[in-house]
Amino acid sequence: DGGITQSPKYLFRKEGQNVTLSCEQNLNHDAMYWYRQDPGQGLRLIYYSQIVNDFQKGDIAEGYSVSREKKESFPLTVTSAQKNPTAFYLCASSFSLQGGYGYTFGSGTRLTVV
Amino acid sequence: DAKTTQPPSMDCAEGRAANLPCNHSTISGNEYVYWYRQIHSQGPQYIIHGLKNNETNEMASLIITEDRKSSTLILPHATLRDTAVYYCIVRVDTSGTYKYIFGTGTRLKVLA
Repeated sequence: DGGITQSPKYLFRKEGQNVTLSCEQNLNHDAMYWYRQDPGQGLRLIYYSQIVNDFQKGDIAEGYSVSREKKESFPLTVTSAQKNPTAFYLCASSFSLQGGYGYTFGSGTRLTVV
Repeated sequence: DAKTTQPPSMDCAEGRAANLPCNHSTISGNEYVYWYRQIHSQGPQYIIHGLKNNETNEMASLIITEDRKSSTLILPHATLRDTAVYYCIVRVDTSGTYKYIFGTGTRLKVLA
């Protein structure tokens, strides 16, 4: 079955360490996105990518980095520069430039800084 | 960018229709309205979307006012499994790149 997979589901990190969250999709979607969600809040856009080897900053990109070397993969690195990294991180994908059926979301990674 | 406004919470009796309102008074002519829902600690799930006309699928109906300044998501026969946070989202087209602007949503509780 086609879908979008995020791993790991739970992640613990010590302060000062970088950590990479995985996102893989087999939907043949061109566009991929990373969102952050804090308790009781909506989703905020971190980074997005429309095509391989290209990505743009979203609304809260500071302290994060991404790469898009393959169409299927869009990993997110939370760096030590991110002041408050504890949150629920969601990856999504979509067909670019088309209305279609919107985004397909992964099941999320819950990151906790200890 | 267009923004959406939704009531923070609503209750609905099981088996009854749930009507979830959304205001998007600054929406532009080419901006779609999407609805998603999120069950606790899961990724949001697509429900329905529309531009001008009312839409219906197996999950819900979407009613968009003629001036497009507001819309209503209708779950015709709510069940306990419909308890979730419902997001009304406007898809913004920024030079060929589509972005969704999420608000805080409506927390729908379906009561037995």
